[in-house]
Amino acid sequence: DVKVTQSSRYLVKRTGEKVFLECVQDMDHENMFWYRQDPGLGLRLIYFSYDVKMKEKGDIPEGYSVSREKKERFSLILESASTNQTSMYLCASSKRLAGLQETQYFGPGTRLLVL
Amino acid sequence: QQQVKQSPQSLIVQKGGIPIINCAYENTAFDYFPWYQQFPGKGPALLIAIRPDVSEKKEGRFTISFNKSAKQFSLHIMDSQPGDSATYFCAASYQGGSEKLVFGKGTKLTVNP
Repeated sequence: DVKVTQSSRYLVKRTGEKVFLECVQDMDHENMFWYRQDPGLGLRLIYFSYDVKMKEKGDIPEGYSVSREKKERFSLILESASTNQTSMYLCASSKRLAGLQETQYFGPGTRLLVL
Repeated sequence: QQQVKQSPQSLIVQKGGIPIINCAYENTAFDYFPWYQQFPGKGPALLIAIRPDVSEKKEGRFTISFNKSAKQFSLHIMDSQPGDSATYFCAASYQGGSEKLVFGKGTKLTVNP
């Protein structure tokens, strides 16, 4: 079974803090994604990585950065947390097959509260 | 246009009913349409997916109907059960693009006993 794990289920941070969210997958997937999920807004893509050290902006990258130093690990960084970044953060991974779409496998999510 | 529009936002049915969730898209390049199911406290998981070369796909009690000319697709759940209560997301993507999925905003389904 594919397993995508996220370092924390719940986090409480203060405004202005630097926040690191970690995601690890164990299936040797090339692609990794970070989404945020808000009620009524669905899943919105923050960043996407298709290889080590490669990244691509999603729909809402402002206020976030990412790091992918190893294939299995993808980190989301909130440089200076703000209250409007309070949300559920979901990590996903998928295999890369040329010309085909592969299933994205999601982690359980990290619920972040910024005070 | 990259949007996928999903309706309704929420849906309540009785056990045994057939809830239907609808999605519409604009980008005619889309050629992969998955549905994801999310239970409370869990990440979404792939439920069923369709490509536009077929008009319908069934997996157990779940059916996707696809109307290419109308640029619409829908999820039907036959003989719904309380255990089907979850949030459902439709999505779309296309070959030759990146592996990114465009998600609908989700439908919260409640199946009452």
